[in-house]
Amino acid sequence: DVKVTQSSRYLVKRTGEKVFLECVQDMDHENMFWYRQDPGLGLRLIYFSYDVKMKEKGDIPEGYSVSREKKERFSLILESASTNQTSMYLCASSLRTERTGELFFGEGSRLTVL
Amino acid sequence: DQQVKQNSPSLSVQEGRISILNCDYTNSMFDYFLWYKKYPAEGPTFLISISSIKDKNEDGRFTVFLNKSAKHLSLHIVPSQPGDSAVYFCAARPTSGTYKYIFGTGTRLKVLA
Repeated sequence: DVKVTQSSRYLVKRTGEKVFLECVQDMDHENMFWYRQDPGLGLRLIYFSYDVKMKEKGDIPEGYSVSREKKERFSLILESASTNQTSMYLCASSLRTERTGELFFGEGSRLTVL
Repeated sequence: DQQVKQNSPSLSVQEGRISILNCDYTNSMFDYFLWYKKYPAEGPTFLISISSIKDKNEDGRFTVFLNKSAKHLSLHIVPSQPGDSAVYFCAARPTSGTYKYIFGTGTRLKVLA
């Protein structure tokens, strides 16, 4: 089974802190994604990576950056956390050639910024 | 501009009856449509998908219907079970190859015992 693991399930940070959210997948998937989920807004794409060191902005990249130094790992960085970044963050991965388009999600990281 | 819409934020259904969740999209540049189920404090799990060239796909209790002329997608769950209570998201994969999946805002299904 594909496993997408997010390092922290729950985090509480202060405004202005630098925050790292880590995601690791074990199925050699080329594509990795970071989404945030907020009530009434669904899942919104922050960043997408289709290969090592490659990244593409999603719909809401402001205030975030990403790093993909190894194929299995995709990190989301909040350089200076703000209260409006309090959210559920979801990492996902997929095969480039995935016929059905299925994304495999991690369990999520609930971030609270005080 | 939201391209995938789930207009019903919530739905309640009696156990054993049919649950119908709906999704509308506003352009035709998608090659796959997917349904995900999400429990609180967990990541979404894949339920079922349908290619844009199909009208129907079935997997056990779950059937997805695609009406391309109406740009409408629906998920039928028969029979509904209390364990089906969750938030359901529809998603569409663009044909442009950017993999910028578009998700709906979700419908919270409650199955009453």
